[in-house]
Amino acid sequence: GAVVSQHPSRVICKSGTSVKIECRSLDFQATTMFWYRQFPKQSLMLMATSNEGSKATYEQGVEKDKFLINHASLTLSTLTVTSAHPEDSSFYICSAQVGPNTEAFFGQGTRLTVV
Amino acid sequence: QKEVEQNSGPLSVPEGAIASLNCTYSDRGSQSFFWYRQYSGKSPELIMSIYSNGDKEDGRFTAQLNKASQYVSLLIRDSQPSDSATYLCAVMINNDMRFGAGTRLTVKP
Repeated sequence: GAVVSQHPSRVICKSGTSVKIECRSLDFQATTMFWYRQFPKQSLMLMATSNEGSKATYEQGVEKDKFLINHASLTLSTLTVTSAHPEDSSFYICSAQVGPNTEAFFGQGTRLTVV
Repeated sequence: QKEVEQNSGPLSVPEGAIASLNCTYSDRGSQSFFWYRQYSGKSPELIMSIYSNGDKEDGRFTAQLNKASQYVSLLIRDSQPSDSATYLCAVMINNDMRFGAGTRLTVKP
């Protein structure tokens, strides 16, 4: 199956700093990448959808200036959590689609802890 | 109404039994449906996709889709303890992949 690599898998940062999370499709070109956030024992909450070369589409309530998404190529999307606060601590997961309305393959996830 | 709803669970079945997981969705125009499995602390992994009405079988897994009823289900035959996980139903809605809350399945030896 298709492989999606997400890095880092775990990060601890100080409050007020920024953290960048990378999501790469290793063996296919991803037309669309999705970013999710998951709190313990809860489901995946879609944060934004990004398409290569265009601005990300954010879900209502997700601050685009705080969660910067860049999809510069067909194999790489990044999520930057700016000025992180403890309430941003969560499990962030990306997924990538080969084509419209097809299966999405997930990265390993990034567990962010803001102290 | 939530866009994707799953039966709340948790669901517990004995080893060797059939586990039945259900999902309904709100967007009548949706055409693509997926089942994912997520182990605790891990990211979801794809089990099956289904796009047409009817059944689709893959090993011990069978997905069933009824677009008229806006209903999709997953059957797991001969359940194994290793099947214990949270099962997530996903639906493509307006080009976004949206998930249900998940059903936690426990298969008891």
